[in-house]
Amino acid sequence: NAGVTQTPKFRVLKTGQSMTLLCAQDMNHEYMYWYRQDPGMGLRLIHYSVGEGTTAKGEVPDGYNVSRLKKQNFLLGLESAAPSQTSVYFCASSYPVLRSSEQYFGPGTRLTVT
Amino acid sequence: AQSVTQLGSHVSVSEGALVLLRCNYSSSVPPYLFWYVQYPNQGLQLLLKYTTGATLVKGINGFEAEFKKSETSFHLTKPSAHMSDAAEYFCAVSVALSGGYNKLIFGAGTRLAVHP
Repeated sequence: NAGVTQTPKFRVLKTGQSMTLLCAQDMNHEYMYWYRQDPGMGLRLIHYSVGEGTTAKGEVPDGYNVSRLKKQNFLLGLESAAPSQTSVYFCASSYPVLRSSEQYFGPGTRLTVT
Repeated sequence: AQSVTQLGSHVSVSEGALVLLRCNYSSSVPPYLFWYVQYPNQGLQLLLKYTTGATLVKGINGFEAEFKKSETSFHLTKPSAHMSDAAEYFCAVSVALSGGYNKLIFGAGTRLAVHP
């Protein structure tokens, strides 16, 4: 099993450009998450999904959109990139067990917005 | 509201020395607590977790953590550091969302350096 994969690994955007980050998991997990990691701030939840066709906002959703058209994929979109969105983005997935669930993380996407 | 505080953004130890990474939590319900490790340029990997039962939890790579309710702490320890333990460590608490779902709240992380 590949686990959780993310594409691309690196990306540089100019302010105002758009892009989509792809997350894929092969563990048949119901739940999927997008986080951003910034120095000294840990990981913050952007959006999450509890099943195919459903998404919800996390702690820092502004400037991002998501879609979950297939159970195994979770897409994160930036419609008009801003320098404040320079960050490392992590996708994660988990089984639909309540609060004891472990989340499995992808390797991350490093995004720079100039 | 639930939260996690990791004391010390950077910790440096000598190879073979005790590793102690501190985590304190705030939770209005019995907490479910996690420690994750992030090696350079990689994603996060679960070290161990506490849900219920035994308060001393053993994880991978010789790490363990003790849940102390009276101190609202979940400190991570390893008796003898190895060079390969150099990484960033994150403490997290699981938070229930509406609809029965859950999310993780992470601390800011502690970067561990191990010196020869």
